[in-house]
Amino acid sequence: DIQMTQSPSSLSASVGDRITFTCRASQSISNYVNWYQQKPGKAPKLLIYAATTLQSGVPSRFSGSGSGTDFTLTITSLQPEDFATYFCQQSYTTPLYTFGQGTKLEIK
Amino acid sequence: QVQLQESGPGLVKPSETLSLICNVSGGSMSSYYWSWIRQPAGKGLEWIGRIYTSGTTNYSPSLKSRLTLSVDTSKNQFSLKLTSVTAADTAVYYCVRGYYYGSGSALDSWGQGTLVTVSS
Repeated sequence: DIQMTQSPSSLSASVGDRITFTCRASQSISNYVNWYQQKPGKAPKLLIYAATTLQSGVPSRFSGSGSGTDFTLTITSLQPEDFATYFCQQSYTTPLYTFGQGTKLEIK
Repeated sequence: QVQLQESGPGLVKPSETLSLICNVSGGSMSSYYWSWIRQPAGKGLEWIGRIYTSGTTNYSPSLKSRLTLSVDTSKNQFSLKLTSVTAADTAVYYCVRGYYYGSGSALDSWGQGTLVTVSS
């Protein structure tokens, strides 16, 4: 099984900050990574697919990068509604998806 | 815009069968696949399985022996049955739409989730 490891598990930031989340795959998975945002009590929401492609309707302050084993999700100029938990997911072994354990973004 | 809604008992006794239905509205079920994902309280996401409108299924190896997915396109719904449940099956269960973009895939529409507790 491909393991997806996210770091850190939580972080604190302020409105207006630039923040980067990291996700590492246990083996090379090309660009088969998706990112999701989950707010408390809500379902995850797809933000980015294929490592770098913004899902329709997602603000342009979100961006993704990476290939192989190392991937990042960046939010420029954090907004109050961005405080949530973020998950990466690999689709290299579709349909056997695996998710990272998540990074919780909290207000400093 | 497609909407998904899970329904089913919120409480299931150990060793019994967990049954959930997902109703799909606002869009066709064709051209997509339909998945179940679960999330224990405070934990991460676990893929359970998926089904196509043709009835073709894929199951998580860890759940395969207990899991059955089915689809009824005439009712725009798909369902999950998980037998012999234990406390470890307690989680929020999401029904989810998946799609392929080229050779990759993603999960783009999620139900609100339903909490299923396994307890006597």
